[in-house]
Amino acid sequence: AQSVSQHNHHVILSEAASLELGCNYSYGGTVNLFWYVQYPGQHLQLLLKYFSGDPLVKGIKGFEAEFIKSKFSFNLRKPSVQWSDTAEYFCAVNRGSQGNLIFGKGTKLSVKP
Amino acid sequence: GAVVSQHPSWVICKSGTSVKIECRSLDFQATTMFWYRQFPKQSLMLMATSNEGSKATYEQGVEKDKFLINHASLTLSTLTVTSAHPEDSSFYICSASLAGPYNEQFFGPGTRLTVL
Repeated sequence: AQSVSQHNHHVILSEAASLELGCNYSYGGTVNLFWYVQYPGQHLQLLLKYFSGDPLVKGIKGFEAEFIKSKFSFNLRKPSVQWSDTAEYFCAVNRGSQGNLIFGKGTKLSVKP
Repeated sequence: GAVVSQHPSWVICKSGTSVKIECRSLDFQATTMFWYRQFPKQSLMLMATSNEGSKATYEQGVEKDKFLINHASLTLSTLTVTSAHPEDSSFYICSASLAGPYNEQFFGPGTRLTVL
């Protein structure tokens, strides 16, 4: 069955540290890839998405992600995190024209001021 | 961006009662709406997919008679939890997608259901 794996359950960083959150998916066909963020007490918001083209995509708030097809990966990165980045981050995949999103289990990021 | 609302945001009910949750796309017409359930410290699990004017498609293990979904218009879908029990307590989230090849989904703020 199709699945999405996020390697880290909880990541704790100090402000200004660099961030990389791993995401791997199992489906071999055409995929659309998403990273969502859920700030405490708020709803899911789209950080960035990849549909096609340049595999390095830039999102909001300084986040970026790189799609590496050979590794079935879509890791999220930010060069310098801020306290306000404390949130839960979800990687999600849908298959081509199918709408169903498959979510990873999420990674909680805690940034110490 | 596209905005999706949910109502209510928080509801407490007695065991055995039914609860209706509304999901609305405020500034776009959504061909498809999705209902998810999120348990504490866990990811979102898709419950069902609904297309306007047709019956919802439920994921395996989701009881269609317990979780009634109605998608009567392109901007409104409802989820009714019938004869709710404490184990139905959860965070229910809807999303709506625009027509197109990528099916980007826009999420509502969620509804916290607590069944006593």
